[in-house]
Amino acid sequence: AQSVTQLDSHVSVSEGTPVLLRCNYSSSYSPSLFWYVQHPNKGLQLLLKYTSAATLVKGINGFEAEFKKSETSFHLTKPSAHMSDAAEYFCVVTLFSGGYNKLIFGAGTRLAVHP
Amino acid sequence: DTAVSQTPKYLVTQMGNDKSIKCEQNLGHDTMYWYKQDSKKFLKIMFSYNNKELIINETVPNRFSPKSPDKAHLNLHINSLELGDSAVYFCASSSLTGTEAFFGQGTRLTVV
Repeated sequence: AQSVTQLDSHVSVSEGTPVLLRCNYSSSYSPSLFWYVQHPNKGLQLLLKYTSAATLVKGINGFEAEFKKSETSFHLTKPSAHMSDAAEYFCVVTLFSGGYNKLIFGAGTRLAVHP
Repeated sequence: DTAVSQTPKYLVTQMGNDKSIKCEQNLGHDTMYWYKQDSKKFLKIMFSYNNKELIINETVPNRFSPKSPDKAHLNLHINSLELGDSAVYFCASSSLTGTEAFFGQGTRLTVV
């Protein structure tokens, strides 16, 4: 069965320092993986996606993630945090069931960015 | 242009009432979803429709009834609202062969 685990519920960084949000997945087949971001009282926005092409995926706002099959990981990184990056981040894996895809969400990681 | 729009954005109602949330997408997608986000921010799928046909129905009380008049619309009707129904409900859509979903802005439902 497909599942996703976000290893940190909260991450706090200083502005200008690197960001690392960790995600491990479990999938019985080659998965599609995503990172979504949710700013306070807002909807969910797709940051980036991996769908079996390049293992290093670049997204919006300077974020990127690397798919590592051997480690079953899909960690999200950014070289330099900005105050506007403070938000909730969700790692997501697709579950193919009954001929259709559905998204399985991790529990989320809240990123705080301090001046 | 709003790709996935849902109304209302906020909904405050009393226990026992019946309410509906509407969702529309203009992306030409075949598949639409309802997700529930609880107070801990956890997102769980409730329903999925493909071209007006129900394809995913998670363990959701039958007080919740989705309705899809056409493939661009998926409404959620909730009967006999309970305090535990308070949450943010997100509508989303995706193409049949695509993988990522596009989400609406959410409807914050508060049952008092």
